[in-house]
Amino acid sequence: EAGVAQSPRYKIIEKRQSVAFWCNPISGHATLYWYQQILGQGPKLLIQFQNNGVVDDSQLPKDRFSAERLKGVDSTLKIQPAKLEDSAVYLCASSLRLGNGELFFGEGSRLTVL
Amino acid sequence: GENVEQHPSTLSVQEGDSAVIKCTYSDSASNYFPWYKQELGKRPQLIIDIRSNVGEKKDQRIAVTLNKTAKHFSLHITETQPEDSAVYFCAAITNDYKLSFGAGTTVTVRA
Repeated sequence: EAGVAQSPRYKIIEKRQSVAFWCNPISGHATLYWYQQILGQGPKLLIQFQNNGVVDDSQLPKDRFSAERLKGVDSTLKIQPAKLEDSAVYLCASSLRLGNGELFFGEGSRLTVL
Repeated sequence: GENVEQHPSTLSVQEGDSAVIKCTYSDSASNYFPWYKQELGKRPQLIIDIRSNVGEKKDQRIAVTLNKTAKHFSLHITETQPEDSAVYFCAAITNDYKLSFGAGTTVTVRA
């Protein structure tokens, strides 16, 4: 079974630039999550989708972050403009359905903002 | 929302000894408590989980206990081995399906 795919694995940008991350969840998984993991901290939920609808985006800094999952499969997370404090690993995860606790994580996209 | 606190932040144990990590949660409606292991530079992976209708669960050298009254749960690793060195995260999920993670515990197993 293929896992959660993410790209790019690494990205270096200057502050005020924009960046986009892509995620392809495990086939058949209805729920998709984007987490931000700052070095030395636990993953922090940014946004959670159920199919193509948003379940929770209460911790997404909406002035600069946006995410979509238009067809209920792939998802993109965009940051524009980036700040220094956005430097982190952005983890995408999926689960079979809402409330099914086991999350399968991708390898993550490491963002460095200079 | 759910607030999960995890202790200790770092733990160093001698190979063969046991390691215990403790977490507390704030939302009494939380009903599912997974533990994830993250090796350096790799993705978090589920190692064990427990639901609110169970007090203890064991899988070979790892076990998890849950005290719903006190709102805390713990991970126990016995006979630790070097490959157990990693960051361990506890998490809790509430009725509104949000999974919140603790800050993590860096476990180092000394040979």
